[in-house]
Amino acid sequence: EAGVAQSPRYKIIEKRQSVAFWCNPISGHATLYWYQQILGQGPKLLIQFQNNGVVDDSQLPKDRFSAERLKGVDSTLKIQPAKLEDSAVYLCASSSGQGAVYGYTFGSGTRLTVV
Amino acid sequence: AQSVTQPDIHITVSEGASLELRCNYSYGATPYLFWYVQSPGQGLQLLLKYFSGDTLVQGIKGFEAEFKRSQSSFNLRKPSVHWSDAAEYFCAVGALNYQLIWGAGTKLIIKP
Repeated sequence: EAGVAQSPRYKIIEKRQSVAFWCNPISGHATLYWYQQILGQGPKLLIQFQNNGVVDDSQLPKDRFSAERLKGVDSTLKIQPAKLEDSAVYLCASSSGQGAVYGYTFGSGTRLTVV
Repeated sequence: AQSVTQPDIHITVSEGASLELRCNYSYGATPYLFWYVQSPGQGLQLLLKYFSGDTLVQGIKGFEAEFKRSQSSFNLRKPSVHWSDAAEYFCAVGALNYQLIWGAGTKLIIKP
């Protein structure tokens, strides 16, 4: 099966600019996650979708981050305006809905550098 | 509180030597446990998982892990490491809300 697709792979922007990341999960996977991974740290969950509804966005900085999952398939994560501390790898993952049992499949991530 | 601890930030092992990466967890229910590997510039790849049955779990790339309930541990092992095993390894516990609770990771360095 095809994996989780993410784009772009790399992005460099100046602070206060906006940026968007795209994720296409594995076909049929109902649950989609966006993670932020700062260099040297483990992944931090930003938002979890079940189909096109938000299950958990408690760690999403909502003043600058937004995410949507239209039609329960693809998802986009947006940052506006970006800050220097947003420099990180943004990982998308999907699962069949039993992710806590069977694990997730991750995309390769988008490496964001804010200068 | 639910948590995962990986006590070693870095581990250096000679090529061909055996490897053990430690993971301890704190979780109220029967845990679902995972090890993921992240090569430089890559996403996270599932190495192996445990959710029931035999406490010794085999994974990909020659890795295995043993679940020890009495010690709340799920240590990852490999009998002989290869230079290509150099990566960062993450232990995680599956929570009931379909989320994973992550350790901070252990970076594996291979000496030639």
